[in-house]
Amino acid sequence: QITLKESGPTLVKPTQTLTLTCTFSGFSVSTPGVGVGWIRQSPGEALEWLAIIYWDDDKRYSPSLKSRLAISKDTSKNEVVLTMTVLDPADTATYYCAHRLVAAPHDVFDVWGQGTMVTVSS
Amino acid sequence: DIQMTQSPSSLSASVGDRVTISCRASQNINNYLNWYQHKPGKVPELLIYTASNLQSGVPSRFSGSGSGTDFTLTISSLQPEDFATYYCQQTYSLSRAFGQGTKLEI
Repeated sequence: QITLKESGPTLVKPTQTLTLTCTFSGFSVSTPGVGVGWIRQSPGEALEWLAIIYWDDDKRYSPSLKSRLAISKDTSKNEVVLTMTVLDPADTATYYCAHRLVAAPHDVFDVWGQGTMVTVSS
Repeated sequence: DIQMTQSPSSLSASVGDRVTISCRASQNINNYLNWYQHKPGKVPELLIYTASNLQSGVPSRFSGSGSGTDFTLTISSLQPEDFATYYCQQTYSLSRAFGQGTKLEI
């Protein structure tokens, strides 16, 4: 059974850096085809894709946020970390990590973590 | 970049109704289109991937169709647990953009 869980601060000040950790079980991020992505949802807004890291350490970022994001993985710990710099109140959102469906020829997120709410405020 | 537009933005329907939600891409995305269901306070759930593939465990009343720029999610007979917000997402371009969502209400 695949499970993912996000962890990190619930409150961050503007201009600070946010570090979120996705801890997962039931798969290895070194298995070909595997990926872990991050998606967020601001209050009252639609889902927004942020980034993904693949089994071969290839990374993709949302073009609109690329300069502020970094994604990495620790295979031994079964963790994927997302870092976002220069936080703004507009970054207040629930942040989800999700598992990429290996069988699909493109990015499909079949299992999601429960999400973690992050508030950006002074 | 590729924009995804869903219609309608909200929809009122009754149990047993057949419902169709549309998603249009601003340019060709082949069939790299996913549909998710999201209920308040819950985790988004994958329904359909690659335009028409039903995710394992999802009831067969859900179906997807389309290719290129126009896609449709159909619920053949609404059940009480189907009232939620539905999102399409393209994964053809780097933005992996979601639509703005369609809120399905009783």
